[in-house]
Amino acid sequence: GENVEQHPSTLSVQEGDSAVIKCTYSDSASNYFPWYKQELGKGPQLIIDIRSNVGEKKDQRIAVTLNKTAKHFSLHITETQPEDSAVYFCAATIQGAQKLVFGQGTRLTINP
Amino acid sequence: NAGVMQNPRHLVRRRGQEARLRCSPMKGHSHVYWYRQLPEEGLKFMVYLQKENIIDESGMPKERFSAEFPKEGPSILRIQQVVRGDSAAYFCASSKGETQYFGPGTRLLVL
Repeated sequence: GENVEQHPSTLSVQEGDSAVIKCTYSDSASNYFPWYKQELGKGPQLIIDIRSNVGEKKDQRIAVTLNKTAKHFSLHITETQPEDSAVYFCAATIQGAQKLVFGQGTRLTINP
Repeated sequence: NAGVMQNPRHLVRRRGQEARLRCSPMKGHSHVYWYRQLPEEGLKFMVYLQKENIIDESGMPKERFSAEFPKEGPSILRIQQVVRGDSAAYFCASSKGETQYFGPGTRLLVL
């Protein structure tokens, strides 16, 4: 079955700097890759997603890149702000399978 | 335009009791998913349901756990004879396509 590895497990950056979180997946049939942000005591919130027919997608300060050949995808947050502090999860799914396979999460801390 | 709703938000049970977790999907969504999150870990898929049908239960423990999504009313995740290892956050998600939207979760504590 699909396996998703996420790195780093913790990340600390200065406010205003960029943050990058990387994920790799094992099943080449995976074709949908969402990213979720989870704040303490809350449910995961979708922040951006990408499908396998696209190499990059951007939404304001957030961007995701996908390398299908290498089977990895990354989340990029620019101009980080204190409210970006949270745990971020990547996930992957195979078309038709519906279930999401999540990475282990990255605890991002933005230092003022 | 309510999101996914879950109740209760917190549930305390003693070993051997039953836990019932409820999930109301977003309006217009016919797909419901349940995930479990242990402390400091990612979410693990449990079950995927559509109205009156279990589509994929490959992540459900073989015993004590069951799920349903009746024609009317919320989806229910039921855990019988709870043990301490069942303590976790249980999240429900709903979709009408690929994108899954999550509820706030139910935090189950087994004493």
